[in-house]
Amino acid sequence: GAVVSQHPSRVICKSGTSVKIECRSLDFQATTMFWYRQFPKQSLMLMATSNEGSKATYEQGVEKDKFLINHASLTLSTLTVTSAHPEDSSFYICSVLGGEATDTQYFGPGTRLTVL
Amino acid sequence: GNSVTQMEGPVTLSEEAFLTINCTYTATGYPSLFWYVQYPGEGLQLLLKATKADDKGSNKGFEATYRKETTSFHLEKGSVQVSDSAVYFCALREVGKLIFGQGTTLQVKP
Repeated sequence: GAVVSQHPSRVICKSGTSVKIECRSLDFQATTMFWYRQFPKQSLMLMATSNEGSKATYEQGVEKDKFLINHASLTLSTLTVTSAHPEDSSFYICSVLGGEATDTQYFGPGTRLTVL
Repeated sequence: GNSVTQMEGPVTLSEEAFLTINCTYTATGYPSLFWYVQYPGEGLQLLLKATKADDKGSNKGFEATYRKETTSFHLEKGSVQVSDSAVYFCALREVGKLIFGQGTTLQVKP
């Protein structure tokens, strides 16, 4: 399967600051990436679908201006949490579509964001 | 809309016990079905998948069969190990997006 990395793995920030999370596809070019949010002991909630070179498609209820997604290359997508607040604290996970099988998503290890 | 329902956990088993985690789905078409596993502190890993009715996905001793008549994709393993302790997610693929079940925590005790 595809190898996906995320950076940083953990980040702690103060309320009101912005945080950028990177998602990289290490071994193939990913046209489509996904960003998920996972609350403790709960399932993954899809936040947005990111397509290289175009605007991300956000799921209902996800604030576009708060969660900025940029997919500038076929190997990198970034999620920026702007003006973070404690309620944004969560586990953010990205995935890429494709590689060996175009109907399979491969997930990054996740980024734990804590907003103080 | 499409949805996935998993049995509630946690499921606690002794080593070498038989495992079943139930998963049922609701879908308008014929989605691909997946099981993902999340080990503590890690991201999700694809465990197995099936793309059409009666397909059986298998990996690392785990199996699941795509049952269209019962809209189910139950995960089974004949003999679990302590290292299988993790959260297991059933999912279906809808137009490129994955819809996840709520996850089932498995705890295997020595």
